[in-house]
Parts: sequence; C-alpha cells; structure tokens
Amino acid sequence: GEDVEQSLFLSVREGDSSVINCTYTDSSSTYLYWYKQEPGAGLQLLTYIFSNMDMKQDQRLTVLLNKKDKHLSLRIADTQTGDSAIYFCAKRAYIPTFGRGTSLIVHP
Amino acid sequence: DGGITQSPKYLFRKEGQNVTLSCEQNLNHDAMYWYRQDPGQGLRLIYYSQIVNDFQKGDIAEGYSVSREKKESFPLTVTSAQKNPTAFYLCASSIQQGRTEAFFGQGTRLTVV
Repeated sequence: GEDVEQSLFLSVREGDSSVINCTYTDSSSTYLYWYKQEPGAGLQLLTYIFSNMDMKQDQRLTVLLNKKDKHLSLRIADTQTGDSAIYFCAKRAYIPTFGRGTSLIVHP
Repeated sequence: DGGITQSPKYLFRKEGQNVTLSCEQNLNHDAMYWYRQDPGQGLRLIYYSQIVNDFQKGDIAEGYSVSREKKESFPLTVTSAQKNPTAFYLCASSIQQGRTEAFFGQGTRLTVV
C-alpha cells in the first residue's frame, strides 16, 4: 500500500470546521507536513509537526498526531470559501512522499 | 525573493514532438524533483537530482529525460516516447535530499493537441 493515505473528498459548509485525515505507514521519527494546492497552482507548505509532538496550533489550523495509530489530521476552524483547495499530507523522507490529496469543497 | 520558477505555465505539444519544461530555483537548494499530477492520482515522481550532474529515475521515468548541469536548473524533456503526456507537471526543491521540506513551483500544464 501507499506510504501515506488520504480520503479524496470533503465537503463542508462555510463557517464550519473541516477535518482532513491522513494515515501513514512508517513509524520512524520524522517531520509530517500539510500542503495546500489551489487550482492550477503549485503546492504551498501550510504547517508541519514533528513526530514527537501530539498537537500544533497555528491560527485557524490545528494539527493532531496520533502516533500509536499513525494518524495525522488537519483541522481548519471557521472554514471559508478561500480554503477550497486540495490538501496533501506528506512526510519527510529521502524522496518527499505525498498522499493523493483531499479535495476540500466549501459551500455557502 | 527566493523561489522556484517554472515556465511556461501552459504548453501545447503536437504528436511526435519533444518539449522541454523549464525549472529554475534561486534558493541554493541541492535537491530537485519533477512530479506529474493527474486528477485523483496525487503526485508521481518522474526524476530527482541530489546534486549537480547527478539524477535518478523515479517511479514513472519512461518517456522523460532530464539534465542537471547547473545547481539552479533542472529542465524536464517530455519525449515522443511518452504516450500520454497531457498532465500538470510540478518541479520542487529541498535544501538537501531527505533533510527538509520541499518547495514547489507553480506548475506547467502540458496538453497534447
């Protein structure tokens, strides 16, 4: 199976919270990243967490890491239409390894 | 401003033609990567380069070629041997391979006409 797995779609209403989930297979210590890709653009690094942390908060973004279950999540509070994009989780490795991306659709 | 520049943003190729996608970075990064993105398939690695004058095939290298003659430049040629080249191509770089996060260019959309 893939090193990093994500669900493909998430639809939320504007103002609600979004939670994007990711699971990974390699349990070695490393950095885990969340990237955002807007239509027709490259990937932008949103935030990251080191594998010895459980949580990291950065304004509207909260990253949660469950090392036991190898589960990473990105919570976006007060989701806005500008948050509509594809979100990739990734882990630091010899070759940067990405999930297939979760398309977040925000509707009014 | 430091960053990665891909050009052109849109590229059209006729059947049987080779085309070259440009990727330039002024971040002084050693490692550079080319990915292909198709809808629903995420990012697939085409080639990567750890240092100048060295590069390695990724998962889907067939029909593509690269060069790394300068640290800041990593052009990708899509040859006529690539049977399904229509896709979005992303170039990325990192300070050193496996040591830091990757930074991405804005992508080139290649369409076969």
